[in-house]
Amino acid sequence: DGGITQSPKYLFRKEGQNVTLSCEQNLNHDAMYWYRQDPGQGLRLIYYSQIVNDFQKGDIAEGYSVSREKKESFPLTVTSAQKNPTAFYLCASSSGSPYNEQFFGPGTRLTVL
Amino acid sequence: AQSVTQLDSQVPVFEEAPVELRCNYSSSVSVYLFWYVQYPNQGLQLLLKYLSGSTLVESINGFEAEFNKSQTSFHLRKPSVHISDTAEYFCAVTWGNAGNNRKLIWGLGTSLAVNP
Repeated sequence: DGGITQSPKYLFRKEGQNVTLSCEQNLNHDAMYWYRQDPGQGLRLIYYSQIVNDFQKGDIAEGYSVSREKKESFPLTVTSAQKNPTAFYLCASSSGSPYNEQFFGPGTRLTVL
Repeated sequence: AQSVTQLDSQVPVFEEAPVELRCNYSSSVSVYLFWYVQYPNQGLQLLLKYLSGSTLVESINGFEAEFNKSQTSFHLRKPSVHISDTAEYFCAVTWGNAGNNRKLIWGLGTSLAVNP
């Protein structure tokens, strides 16, 4: 079945450590997105990529980094520069059609201790 | 700037009662509209979408939404809710004139709590 996988489901890290969240899709979608979700704040866009080897900052990119070396993969690194990293992280993809309908993975809940 | 407003952050309702979750957006020029649902600790799932054509769109589980261009609204309705409809609902919009840098703009979500 086609879909988006994110791993792990739950992740715990000590303050000051970098951590990488995985996102893989087999939908053959060109575009991929990373969102952060906090209670009461909806979805905030961190980074997005419309094509391999290219990506753009979203609204809250500070303290995060991404790469897009393969069409299927769009990993997100939460660096020690991110002041409040504890959150629910969602990865999404879309075909890049004019409608931009996005498909979501199950999410990763990151807790920094 | 383009924006999406979900007018209610929380909507409590009794089982089998009707419900309306409200969504307004900032401009009606060439819009594409979506409602997504999120169950606890899960990703978002597309509930329904308006791309063109009939202004009333329906989902397979009884929800419907109507695109109202004059009021720039896309309210979500269900005539009789179930306990299993308890979830967070997000309205999202993309504008057709955004060129290649097209993104979804999200509302803050409405938490629907269906009580027995």
